[in-house]
Amino acid sequence: NAGVTQTPKFRVLKTGQSMTLLCAQDMNHEYMYWYRQDPGMGLRLIHYSVGEGTTAKGEVPDGYNVSRLKKQNFLLGLESAAPSQTSVYFCASRPPAPYEQYFGPGTRLTVT
Amino acid sequence: RKEVEQDPGPFNVPEGATVAFNCTYSNSASQSFFWYRQDCRKEPKLLMSVYSSGNEDGRFTAQLNRASQYISLLIRDSKLSDSATYLCVVNDDMRFGAGTRLTVKP
Repeated sequence: NAGVTQTPKFRVLKTGQSMTLLCAQDMNHEYMYWYRQDPGMGLRLIHYSVGEGTTAKGEVPDGYNVSRLKKQNFLLGLESAAPSQTSVYFCASRPPAPYEQYFGPGTRLTVT
Repeated sequence: RKEVEQDPGPFNVPEGATVAFNCTYSNSASQSFFWYRQDCRKEPKLLMSVYSSGNEDGRFTAQLNRASQYISLLIRDSKLSDSATYLCVVNDDMRFGAGTRLTVKP
């Protein structure tokens, strides 16, 4: 039982490049989330999903797209990376409320 | 007003001290609250849920005050290993506070 895993752990992109971050969970959770964390800013919600085939915008969705084609996977895409997207990205999942979220180890992304 | 607000600290306390953090929230309909602990450059991990009647887990006590819309975390007999950032979260809105940084010193 791996919990929540994220791929890759680190990545350096050049401005304008694209990439996809993969989040996978093996706990059969319905809800999945993508957050970004910047120094002093706490966790900010980018997009989330309440079930397979559904996605919704969070606080800071601009510049990102997501897909949840399979229940266990939640993909975060950057179509044209910008330096402002340099951050640590955390994925999380949980069953329906009132249960807590379980986090992946994070992806450290630098855009130069 | 931010939806979830925390005092960012830092709180620097000696070992054995008692320290308390508060977290205010704006959505009065919120039902589900948690405290997480985050160590430097690691993922947040659940510390404890917050129940409306208050709850305790060893040296940690969590309380909810619905009338004033805040939750609190009390840490008694602080240990060096308690040094971390403590995040509150309102689960219904998926909103995290910015975190309160605690450093426990010998």
